[in-house]
Amino acid sequence: DIQMTQSPSTLSASVGDRVTITCRASQSISSWLAWYQQKPGKAPKLLIYKASSLESGVPPRFSGSGSGTEFTLTISSLQPDDFATYYCQHYNSLPWTFGQGTKVEIK
Amino acid sequence: EVHLVESGGGLVKPGGSLRLSCAASGFTFSDYSMTWVRQSPGQGLEWVSSIGSSGGYIYYADSVKGRFTISRDNAKSSLYLQMNSLRAEDTAVYYCARTRSGGDCYSHWGQGTLVTVSS
Repeated sequence: DIQMTQSPSTLSASVGDRVTITCRASQSISSWLAWYQQKPGKAPKLLIYKASSLESGVPPRFSGSGSGTEFTLTISSLQPDDFATYYCQHYNSLPWTFGQGTKVEIK
Repeated sequence: EVHLVESGGGLVKPGGSLRLSCAASGFTFSDYSMTWVRQSPGQGLEWVSSIGSSGGYIYYADSVKGRFTISRDNAKSSLYLQMNSLRAEDTAVYYCARTRSGGDCYSHWGQGTLVTVSS
């Protein structure tokens, strides 16, 4: 199975900060990577698919990059609504697996 | 607007069974593959099972293989998960999700239904 490792596990930031979350795959997954945002008690929301494509309706302050084994999710200017937990997920080969999550907290 | 509504969760004893349902609306259900993803309390996300748009392919995570059965009824726009031989470690919120066109990531999710396995 392909393991997905996110860093950091927790991130403290302020409104307006530029935030970067990293996701590493244990083997190459080409660009078959998605990013999700999840708020407490809610279902995840797709932000980015195929590593860098912005899902419809997602603000352009979110961006994704990378290929192969290393990927990043960047929030260019953190907004109050962005405090949440973020997960990466690969869909290169079965089983699809998620990273352990990165919680973005208010500093 | 796409809507996915799960039901059927609850408290069940170890070794018991439960059937989850997911009612879909707002899109042509038979055009999309569907997936179940679960999340144990305070934990991360785990893919459980996926089924092709016509049921032509079915996949399971090793953790549920042989115990869970995914199915769908395109005429009723509904997805199901039959869960047998339930274990404490199956305790989780179960989400149904619609696969995004062009790849196995999930563009739409239900609100989830909680399954608790405990004696």
